[in-house]
Amino acid sequence: DAMVIQNPRYQVTQFGKPVTLSCSQTLNHNVMYWYQQKSSQAPKLLFHYYDKDFNNEADTPDNFQSRRPNTSFCFLDIRSPGLGDAAMYLCATSRVPLGGTDTQYFGPGTRLTVL
Amino acid sequence: QKEVEQDPGPLSVPEGAIVSLNCTYSNSAFQYFMWYRQYSRKGPELLMYTYSSGNKEDGRFTAQVDKSSKYISLFIRDSQPSDSATYLCAMRIQGAQKLVFGQGTRLTINP
Repeated sequence: DAMVIQNPRYQVTQFGKPVTLSCSQTLNHNVMYWYQQKSSQAPKLLFHYYDKDFNNEADTPDNFQSRRPNTSFCFLDIRSPGLGDAAMYLCATSRVPLGGTDTQYFGPGTRLTVL
Repeated sequence: QKEVEQDPGPLSVPEGAIVSLNCTYSNSAFQYFMWYRQYSRKGPELLMYTYSSGNKEDGRFTAQVDKSSKYISLFIRDSQPSDSATYLCAMRIQGAQKLVFGQGTRLTINP
């Protein structure tokens, strides 16, 4: 089945220690998104890639970076995690242009704990 | 004021009840409306998708959009314990990639 895969599902890191989260997709979608979701809150879009074009949300901290080496993979790098960065990180994909019933399809998420 | 407002609950109902979940929004440009279901510690999965106004039915689920009132609803008939999850409404404007989410309503169906 075509899908969005995230690794690891659970990640524990220390305050200030860089961490990388991984997302891969077999849907062959042009667009890949990274969201941050804290407990009982809506997913918050951090940035997205349209093919190789990077689109950062205005309020995304510089501490968060992303790489997309090819169509299938996208990485979220947190350079110096703080306690406030503990959250579920969701990867999503979509086709472009979105039309008809196209929407975003989510992976299972990576739960990040910062000690 | 948030663009999309959704009562976070929690909402607890007995098995078999009809459940009504709702969102209001302020941006009249929204054209596409979605409901995602998110089980605990999992990613959101698309449940229903509606374009513009009207109703859409899929099994026990019915999505309604009332653009004149800027109000969308999800109805669940014959609710089951397996429907226990957080339900997120989401919407977007024509041509936009970005989804705007509600906060999510946490629903529990009691056997």
